[in-house]
Amino acid sequence: DAGVIQSPRHEVTEMGQEVTLRCKPISGHDYLFWYRQTMMRGLELLIYFNNNVPIDDSGMPEDRFSAKMPNASFSTLKIQPSEPRDSAVYFCASSLAGRIISGNTIYFGEGSWLTVV
Amino acid sequence: QKEVEQNSGPLSVPEGAIASLNCTYSDRVSQSFFWYRQYSGKSPELIMSIYSNGDKEDGRFTAQLNKASQYVSLLIRDSQPSDSATYLCAVTPGGRTGANNLFFGTGTRLTVIP
Repeated sequence: DAGVIQSPRHEVTEMGQEVTLRCKPISGHDYLFWYRQTMMRGLELLIYFNNNVPIDDSGMPEDRFSAKMPNASFSTLKIQPSEPRDSAVYFCASSLAGRIISGNTIYFGEGSWLTVV
Repeated sequence: QKEVEQNSGPLSVPEGAIASLNCTYSDRVSQSFFWYRQYSGKSPELIMSIYSNGDKEDGRFTAQLNKASQYVSLLIRDSQPSDSATYLCAVTPGGRTGANNLFFGTGTRLTVIP
């Protein structure tokens, strides 16, 4: 079974450039999450989707960040323009229908390591 | 106040000892609690879940939950060097219908010394 697939795995970009991170969730999963991980703040939820619809984007830090899910098998997280403080690991994760309380867990991709210089 | 608090460590224990990892949470109505393990450069993976007060054992791992104290812990018995990783505590927000979300602590880094 293929897990959550993210690309690129590593990206180094210059401040001001646009960054697009991509994610393919596990087939059949109808929840998709974007997390950001830094040493200082740990793992923070940015946005999550249910059936391709954004449910909660309160974690998106600024208007420079946007996320889309045009279909059940693909999502993007875009940063435009990028800034050095956006440097972090961005994880995409997916889960099956139902509340986590019922025992479903979320499965993480390997992450996209972003460095903005 | 952060939703989930963990001691960042590092916590060092000798091989074969018991490692004790602790976590407190702020939302009194949180219902589900999880421990994830994250190796350096890798993604988090679920190792334990617990929903009711008391202890839950799975192999060398025991999760303990005390909702009155808003406290959850993870014990690792007979610690092995391969247990060296960062352990993330995660909690579901309470009282939100249909919520399918986790709040994570910043993690505790564990090193098991051979």
